[in-house]
Amino acid sequence: DGGITQSPKYLFRKEGQNVTLSCEQNLNHDAMYWYRQDPGQGLRLIYYSQIVNDFQKGDIAEGYSVSREKKESFPLTVTSAQKNPTAFYLCASQPGTANPPQYFGPGTRLTVL
Amino acid sequence: LAKTTQPISMDSYEGQEVNITCSHNNIATNDYITWYQQFPSQGPRFIIQGYKTKVTNEVASLFIPADRKSSTLSLPRVSLSDTAVYYCLVGDYNTDKLIFGTGTRLQVFP
Repeated sequence: DGGITQSPKYLFRKEGQNVTLSCEQNLNHDAMYWYRQDPGQGLRLIYYSQIVNDFQKGDIAEGYSVSREKKESFPLTVTSAQKNPTAFYLCASQPGTANPPQYFGPGTRLTVL
Repeated sequence: LAKTTQPISMDSYEGQEVNITCSHNNIATNDYITWYQQFPSQGPRFIIQGYKTKVTNEVASLFIPADRKSSTLSLPRVSLSDTAVYYCLVGDYNTDKLIFGTGTRLQVFP
């Protein structure tokens, strides 16, 4: 996990509520990413940010929003528009040098009741 | 989008060498190939990364042919604790986005 923290580990919400997942890193990494993983499936990119105050949509951005006001923080909001939000959410960060690997946090399992 | 495919699953026994291949037919010219290991309900853990030919570290080797359209992760002498899902990660030539492979579930038996 390195210096990437995600909280909480488990999160339960009622249908129709927005929920924000936290991701913090103290690695001084420039880029940060959010992925979604469904049971038995691979990782799909939701949003990513390469610098502060800038972010780009990934492959499945609908129903999600992000902000990048600080280099160390990249919170993800799962909105009520996301039709099937129950999943395992993973945050990653990456140094700004050429082609470094991404390093992942421990993940947050979101269950919408 | 690039298709980044891996075998769904592989079985092995303790002490054997395991080779897992990832096919990435549309890899970005300047991107590296990265491999990760994931245990249930945990974030993926970095294993190894390379651009071409062969890379070796203390846990694995990575073989990349000249055309870079595939790569092979080699785990020497696996143990029970290597039972996990393994993913490759490459950049797509057309979109410049990073794409995870489909994942390979490795089961190691005693």
